[in-house]
Amino acid sequence: DVKVTQSSRYLVKRTGEKVFLECVQDMDHENMFWYRQDPGLGLRLIYFSYDVKMKEKGDIPEGYSVSREKKERFSLILESASTNQTSMYLCASSPGMWTDGPGQPQHFGDGTRLSIL
Amino acid sequence: AQTVTQSQPEMSVQEAETVTLSCTYDTSENNYYLFWYKQPPSRQMILVIRQEAYKQQNATENRFSVNFQKAAKSFSLKISDSQLGDTAMYFCAFMNSGGYQKVTFGTGTKLQVIP
Repeated sequence: DVKVTQSSRYLVKRTGEKVFLECVQDMDHENMFWYRQDPGLGLRLIYFSYDVKMKEKGDIPEGYSVSREKKERFSLILESASTNQTSMYLCASSPGMWTDGPGQPQHFGDGTRLSIL
Repeated sequence: AQTVTQSQPEMSVQEAETVTLSCTYDTSENNYYLFWYKQPPSRQMILVIRQEAYKQQNATENRFSVNFQKAAKSFSLKISDSQLGDTAMYFCAFMNSGGYQKVTFGTGTKLQVIP
């Protein structure tokens, strides 16, 4: 079965810290995504990656960066954490369009609830 | 840019009854995909149903079905015989047919099934 694993369910950090959120998928998917989920705002795309070492900005990339050194792993980095980055972070993956055809659904991890104090 | 609107932040339904969740979207594309995702409390987001825009037939998955009105850009989800396990946040989502397979999500509807 499809599996997307996020390294932490809950994380508490302090303002100014550099924070790493890790995501690993075991389906050999080309596409990986990072979202933040806030009440009343739904899911907003931070960054995505369509191949190893390739990345694209989403709708709210400010204050974040990403790394994809291996196909199965996609890391979200908060360069200098701030309180307004307190949120639920969701990682997702999906097959590439040229692999399984277009319109494939995304598969999600359990989420990381991050608190910045 | 595409937008997805879910106008019902919260809904409730009695167990065994039927409920319909609304979703509208805005796009100039002719070919695209629509999804409903379910996020139970403190649990993983999972796919409920998927619709291809070029298919006229409404998608169905057991007790879940959609009413897809392409001209009206409407994509509602009907849950029949509601069960306690249907209590969750439901997100409507839109994906273009090309590009990087990015998805635009609505703001969600919180559904409570009442025993």
